[in-house]
Amino acid sequence: GDSVTQMEGPVTLSEEAFLTINCTYTATGYPSLFWYVQYPGEGLQLLLKATKADDKGSNKGFEATYRKETTSFHLEKGSVQVSDSAVYFCALIDSWGKLQFGAGTQVVVTP
Amino acid sequence: DTAVSQTPKYLVTQMGNDKSIKCEQNLGHDTMYWYKQDSKKFLKIMFSYNNKELIINETVPNRFSPKSPDKAHLNLHINSLELGDSAVYFCASAMADRVEYYGYTFGSGTRLTVV
Repeated sequence: GDSVTQMEGPVTLSEEAFLTINCTYTATGYPSLFWYVQYPGEGLQLLLKATKADDKGSNKGFEATYRKETTSFHLEKGSVQVSDSAVYFCALIDSWGKLQFGAGTQVVVTP
Repeated sequence: DTAVSQTPKYLVTQMGNDKSIKCEQNLGHDTMYWYKQDSKKFLKIMFSYNNKELIINETVPNRFSPKSPDKAHLNLHINSLELGDSAVYFCASAMADRVEYYGYTFGSGTRLTVV
């Protein structure tokens, strides 16, 4: 079945560092891809999305590009802040309409 | 205006008890979901209802019973609670024919602790 694999955390960074979280997927066809973020003690919020190959999703300084050739959707941010500390989930919509998540990557940004 | 609201936010109960978690959405969505998030933050879908009809029923113990009185509400009842049921439970909603564009909208979660 369809699945998502993302890099394990925690990822610890200093403020203003560059962040990359790798995400690859396995699917039949070309599913829509999403990044969700979970701040401490909160629910999941949609961060960005891409619905087809070569689409770039962006929000709050984060970006991810749908790469069909490498079946990837890596999340990047050029300069992280302490407030970006959270767990980030890569996800896809499978052929049944189910949102399937990766295992999540915890990001810790220190001042 | 909370789009997807769950109650209670925290629930502490003893093994063997029966408890319910309620979820309501005011987005006009036609599909609602329950997810379980374990202690390692892994998210797994449990159930989905579309217009009050059960459409997804993953491998979940039959002690868990969802109920959807209307398309804006999806409740989760759990019988004979076990220690392993301790987790955060998330409710979500979506429009079935637009999930590819908008994904799901999630509630803030219910942290269930079984002691």
